[in-house]
Amino acid sequence: GQNIDQPTEMTATEGAIVQINCTYQTSGFNGLFWYQQHAGEAPTFLSYNVLDGLEEKGRFSSFLSRSKGYSYLLLKELQMKDSASYLCAVRDVRSNDYKLSFGAGTTVTVRA
Amino acid sequence: DGGITQSPKYLFRKEGQNVTLSCEQNLNHDAMYWYRQDPGQGLRLIYYSQIVNDFQKGDIAEGYSVSREKKESFPLTVTSAQKNPTAFYLCASSPQAGENNEQFFGPGTRLTVL
Repeated sequence: GQNIDQPTEMTATEGAIVQINCTYQTSGFNGLFWYQQHAGEAPTFLSYNVLDGLEEKGRFSSFLSRSKGYSYLLLKELQMKDSASYLCAVRDVRSNDYKLSFGAGTTVTVRA
Repeated sequence: DGGITQSPKYLFRKEGQNVTLSCEQNLNHDAMYWYRQDPGQGLRLIYYSQIVNDFQKGDIAEGYSVSREKKESFPLTVTSAQKNPTAFYLCASSPQAGENNEQFFGPGTRLTVL
């Protein structure tokens, strides 16, 4: 199975930068996803990494190091609407069977 | 508009009753998934289906059942055998389970068993 760890909570100020780390242990790694989830709502896709390096998408960037089993999500120029839970998910491939395993999520609170 | 619908958003049931949660998608996706989310925990996979008329158990299938008779629909039944059914249930779909595609989530159903 997978062991996916991410911090429980983070707080930052509007306009600042926050980095959410995610570490994982898995065999058959086949990609890492970041989702954003506002309270009581469905998760929405933010980013996908399968190769080492940085993927940038507007104010959000995601980094992956497969050798270290490590990823981070970087949120820049924080806005109040960025207050949400951020979920790290790892896709594992075994016997042609693709499944996602999710971390517990990091709740980010943006203060004015 | 294309998307995934789950109904109802809030559901209350008495202990000992079976209840079926609906999930419909018009995205023409092959794969569909059911997750359960509890406070302080990540999403846990209950069942998934990669193609019509086929489905597999996820990590916490006990006390649940599913069917996949149509590509668009993947209903989840929470049976009386599920020891702690109160939770937020999320349905998701993806174009194909084996491709580099993200999963798209429905709005969720919050089930409360009294």
